[in-house]
Amino acid sequence: GQNIDQPTEMTATEGAIVQINCTYQTSGFNGLFWYQQHAGEAPTFLSYNVLDGLEEKGRFSSFLSRSKGYSYLLLKELQMKDSASYLCAGLDSNYQLIWGAGTKLIIKP
Amino acid sequence: DGGITQSPKYLFRKEGQNVTLSCEQNLNHDAMYWYRQDPGQGLRLIYYSQIVNDFQKGDIAEGYSVSREKKESFPLTVTSAQKNPTAFYLCASSGLADYNEQFFGPGTRLTVL
Repeated sequence: GQNIDQPTEMTATEGAIVQINCTYQTSGFNGLFWYQQHAGEAPTFLSYNVLDGLEEKGRFSSFLSRSKGYSYLLLKELQMKDSASYLCAGLDSNYQLIWGAGTKLIIKP
Repeated sequence: DGGITQSPKYLFRKEGQNVTLSCEQNLNHDAMYWYRQDPGQGLRLIYYSQIVNDFQKGDIAEGYSVSREKKESFPLTVTSAQKNPTAFYLCASSGLADYNEQFFGPGTRLTVL
């Protein structure tokens, strides 16, 4: 079966760094997405990885290891506005997104 | 401004009534999707469409119906056959390239009383 696993909730301090992990099992693999979703709002795109390695975009970076079925999202210099849920989603062989349940990130001052 | 609109933001219905959720996009995307989101769960695909007048069932299509008469529009009807319709419904669209980043509408929160 297809499955995306990520922690339910994480807590971090403003100004610090946090890493949100995601492991995936999909039928075929055509890439991995990270989205941010504030409570009651639509998810917004953060990153897409299809090759192994680290992709950096400002304060956010995303890493992929295809051999390990593993990805992480790294958030640096945390701000209060980063409090949100972070959704990991794998793109399967039919180019359908398989979504994780999301990691709720709580930022404390 | 290009984007996806969903209306209404909040919707209340009595049990046993059908209700239609609107989704419109002006991004010229070929593909459109409907998801359901429940607390503590990931997005679950209800229906998707890659071309006008054609659509496919997702993982949880029972109790729902859709139409795709225009490229811009993909309305979702929640029928009385859906046993637990109270949820947050998200519409999304994307191109058909391999890298199909999905863009989401603001969502409709449906509460069935």
